[in-house]
Amino acid sequence: NAGVTQTPKFQVLKTGQSMTLQCAQDMNHNSMYWYRQDPGMGLRLIYYSASEGTTDKGEVPNGYNVSRLNKREFSLRLESAAPSQTSVYFCASSVLDADGREPQHFGDGTRLSIL
Amino acid sequence: AQKVTQAQTEISVVEKEDVTLDCVYETRDTTYYLFWYKQPPSGELVFLIRRNSFDEQNEISGRYSWNFQKSTSSFNFTITASQVVDSAVYFCALNRDNNDMRFGAGTRLTVKP
Repeated sequence: NAGVTQTPKFQVLKTGQSMTLQCAQDMNHNSMYWYRQDPGMGLRLIYYSASEGTTDKGEVPNGYNVSRLNKREFSLRLESAAPSQTSVYFCASSVLDADGREPQHFGDGTRLSIL
Repeated sequence: AQKVTQAQTEISVVEKEDVTLDCVYETRDTTYYLFWYKQPPSGELVFLIRRNSFDEQNEISGRYSWNFQKSTSSFNFTITASQVVDSAVYFCALNRDNNDMRFGAGTRLTVKP
């Protein structure tokens, strides 16, 4: 019963390097999300995918790209990492049920440091 | 635009005290959802409650209770008889009838023995 799985858990990059964060969910959820969490700022939405084959920008999309590979997987790519992208990244998934919007289920996070 | 404000950055209480965490939201939508999440020191995000905009009934779950007031755009969270294990960062969040979820900055609660 894994839920939402993120890999890797930790990563250190040099400025300018590229990196893909992986996320997979086994709950058959339609929607998936990527957030970043910075001290004192809560979670901010980077991108989301309402269904397989669709992606949309969230609050802070600049510097990132995403791919909804299939219903289970949603990856986040940093093409040219910058120190400002040092953060903890969370992936989440959810489904719209009969009562409205289901709560998002979160992965354990990826702690990314860019030097 | 939608926005969530948690004005209390940090709160410190002694065990067994009651504590209320404030959440004020802004939205122009008539249909929306409000959530509270807990983030313990281990870092994971734990879902606590969901409320839709048409349900203003307050809710109690054990030592936790929530007060939703549309008139003041607030969705406050009270922990009764706090315990050390309640120490965490608590986030309030707002979701419109789409996938764009907005979180507050969080309130760090420390419960001292």
